Amino acid sequence: DGGITQSPKYLFRKEGQNVTLSCEQNLNHDAMYWYRQDPGQGLRLIYYSQIVNDFQKGDIAEGYSVSREKKESFPLTVTSAQKNPTAFYLCASSTGGGNTEAFFGQGTRLTVV
Amino acid sequence: QKEVEQDPGPLSVPEGAIVSLNCTYSNSAFQYFMWYRQYSRKGPELLMYTYSSGNKEDGRFTAQVDKSSKYISLFIRDSQPSDSATYLCAMSENDYKLSFGAGTTVTVRA
Repeated sequence: DGGITQSPKYLFRKEGQNVTLSCEQNLNHDAMYWYRQDPGQGLRLIYYSQIVNDFQKGDIAEGYSVSREKKESFPLTVTSAQKNPTAFYLCASSTGGGNTEAFFGQGTRLTVV
Repeated sequence: QKEVEQDPGPLSVPEGAIVSLNCTYSNSAFQYFMWYRQYSRKGPELLMYTYSSGNKEDGRFTAQVDKSSKYISLFIRDSQPSDSATYLCAMSENDYKLSFGAGTTVTVRA
């Protein structure tokens, strides 16, 4: 089945630790995205990548980092510099820009303990 | 002021009723308009996709875009309990960034 796989589904982090969220797609999409979802705020863009080895900051990139070494993979690292990391994180991919459909993964819920 | 405004609800309707959802926006450069459905603890899935102004119908779903008023709507006819979800509007200028509304939570009562 083609799609986007995010792992893990649930993740717990101690304060001061970095954690990495995985996102893999087998849709042969060029563009990949990371969003953060908080109650009552909708989805906010963290980072996006239009092509391998290239990525751009979104609206709330501070405290996050990404890499795009392979077309299929776009991992997100939540660093200790992110002051309020508890949220639902969603990865998406599309064939191109805003005129194409974005497909979403099932999300990772990160909780700081 | 947020770029995309969407009433979070919640909205509760009886089975078979018409569900009416809407979003307003401030950026006149938006050209592509989408509605996503999100079930609890799941990723959003695309329901409707519209370019520029006009109407689009797909089964029980109708999307309307009025660019002159900066207003988009989604109507769900003959609503079912399985339609209970959060509905997110999203829009784009034709770059790589989608701007989302906060989402409206809908409950269809059996």
